Amino acid sequence: GAGVSQSPRYKVAKRGQDVALRCDPISGHVSLFWYQQALGQGPEFLTYFQNEAQLDKSGLPSDRFFAERPEGSVSTLKIQRTQQEDSAVYLCASSPYRVLYNSPLHFGNGTRLTVT
Amino acid sequence: SQQGEEDPQALSIQEGENATMNCSYKTSINNLQWYRQNSGRGLVHLILIRSNEREKHSGRLRVTLDTSKKSSSLLITASRAADTASYFCATDMEYGNKLVFGAGTILRVKS
Repeated sequence: GAGVSQSPRYKVAKRGQDVALRCDPISGHVSLFWYQQALGQGPEFLTYFQNEAQLDKSGLPSDRFFAERPEGSVSTLKIQRTQQEDSAVYLCASSPYRVLYNSPLHFGNGTRLTVT
Repeated sequence: SQQGEEDPQALSIQEGENATMNCSYKTSINNLQWYRQNSGRGLVHLILIRSNEREKHSGRLRVTLDTSKKSSSLLITASRAADTASYFCATDMEYGNKLVFGAGTILRVKS
């Protein structure tokens, strides 16, 4: 079946522009996570949804970052007034379970954002 | 901040040799998971070991977990060139519904 789909795969933005990154989770997956991965580093947690409810946004680095999942399926991560330090790969992952306990995450291939 | 730390940061071996990667973490966990990431791709789940398990096998993979030392190891036996990738450990902490990843080990298998 289809996996987690992210678009665009690559995004180049000039500093100060707003960007929107899309994630299509596996159909029926309840939980959706966003991670940020800087070059040569492991993924860092940004935020988590259970259906349409954003239950944890403790990893969002600033108020320029905003995520939504209005109908409990597709999610969008928006970054306003992009800065060079926002350059990274943004990964989306989903799970069929409400609670992650003893279950793996299914990841998309990510969106590579470059801010010039 | 990242909960896990992998060791070594990079590992280069010949095809057919075994590769061992280690992971240490800081807080109590429900489980520890290992993921592989090929260049430019997302992470792929390899194996999950629960906090009450000490060893687990899956094909050429063997994972151990020592909760008293807060550490885990991933052994890949009879490595292949296709095993070349970055490997990450991730912990599902006892409190909090998310996976926390380490910085990863870059494995290169030379043919």
